[in-house]
Order: sequence, then structure tokens, then C-alpha cells
Amino acid sequence: AQSVTQPDIHITVSEGASLELRCNYSYGATPYLFWYVQSPGQGLQLLLKYFSGDTLVQGIKGFEAEFKRSQSSFNLRKPSVHWSDAAEYFCAVALISNFGNEKLTFGTGTRLTIIP
Amino acid sequence: EAQVTQNPRYLITVTGKKLTVTCSQNMNHEYMSWYRQDPGLGLRQIYYSMNVEVTDKGDVPEGYKVSRKEKRNFPLILESPSPNQTSLYFCASSPQGERGGLWETQYFGPGTRLLVL
Repeated sequence: AQSVTQPDIHITVSEGASLELRCNYSYGATPYLFWYVQSPGQGLQLLLKYFSGDTLVQGIKGFEAEFKRSQSSFNLRKPSVHWSDAAEYFCAVALISNFGNEKLTFGTGTRLTIIP
Repeated sequence: EAQVTQNPRYLITVTGKKLTVTCSQNMNHEYMSWYRQDPGLGLRQIYYSMNVEVTDKGDVPEGYKVSRKEKRNFPLILESPSPNQTSLYFCASSPQGERGGLWETQYFGPGTRLLVL
């Protein structure tokens, strides 16, 4: 069965420091890959997505993610975090199932805390 | 403003009392979906709809019903709520993607927090 793993439940970084959030998936083929952000009390907002092509994807708010097929990973990065980046981050994957429809699966999320 | 709206935002109810959470989008999107979010479990899909009168089960459909009579609306119905349906619920919509995918760009509503006593 397909699965998405975000190994870090909670990460704390200092403002201005770099950030990397991990995401691993288990599928036989390359799925569609997404990162979403959920600010406190808000719905989810799409940060970036990967379908094919260049494995380094740029998103909104200064985020980027790199797809590594050999590691089945799609880690999210930001070179310098701001206090407003404090939120919960979800990785998600979509794969065409044997029945021709897509199945979207979310990871369990990583909560990011920013300290001054 | 392009948006997905949900009502109510907060709801406290008792076991067995039927309730409906409404969801509406003004972007003319074909696809709509309901999720529940629980601590440590992330988001799990309840039901989705690919167009009017076309709905299908997600990962956790038990205890829920949906309908899609109009393109813009996708209500979630709990016929007989139970405490294990206490959760944060999100509605989402998306246009058909440039690659034909269903979930290429999802737009989420603000969420409905439900407490079933």
C-alpha cells in the first residue's frame, strides 16, 4: 500500500536559520508530489508541487523542494526562515491507481516552531 | 474573491443528532473533496466528487454521506454522529489539472471544528 512518511513531528529553528523538512514515500512509480502549509486556524495552502522534469521545484514564500528518486524523498527547504513560517507542513502524494483514478495521501505533518 | 467557504466553522452536537456541514466554491471547479484532520493522523479523505452527481469514497467514508447536486456545493452529512467523528473537517476544490490530474492544485476551506458529545 502506498504511504507517505514525515519522520519529524516537531521541528524548532531560529529565525534566519535554514530549514529542511523531510518527506519519504513508498510507491512503485513516481507519483505527483506536493507540499502544503497550514497556518494556525487556517486551511491548507499549496506551497509547491512536482510532476516531472527538473527535480528542484520552486514554490511560494521562498520555499523549494527537491525530488530524489533514489531516496524516494521530496524534502522541503528554505534558506532563511521568518517568524511567519511557523505553521504545520504536510507532504502529500497522488498516484494513478489500478482503477484509473487518483489517490491522494497526506503525511502526518511536521509542526514548525520559530524562535527569535 | 476566489474561495472555498464552509459553514459552520464550529459545531457542538450530541450523539445521533443529524447534521450537515456545507461547502461552497466560487471557482467553477470540477473536483471537490472532504477531509478530516486528526492529531497524529494528518488529513484523511472522506469522500470526493469529480463532477455533478459523481461522487466516490475516500479512505474513511463510514458514517458520512455527501451529495453533489450543483457544481459549486458539496455538503457533508452526518446522519447519526458519534464521538469518534469529533474532528477538524476540511473541504477542498480543484480544477482539472493541465495533466488531467484531479488534485494538481487544491484550494482548501478554512475548516469546521466538530465536537460530538
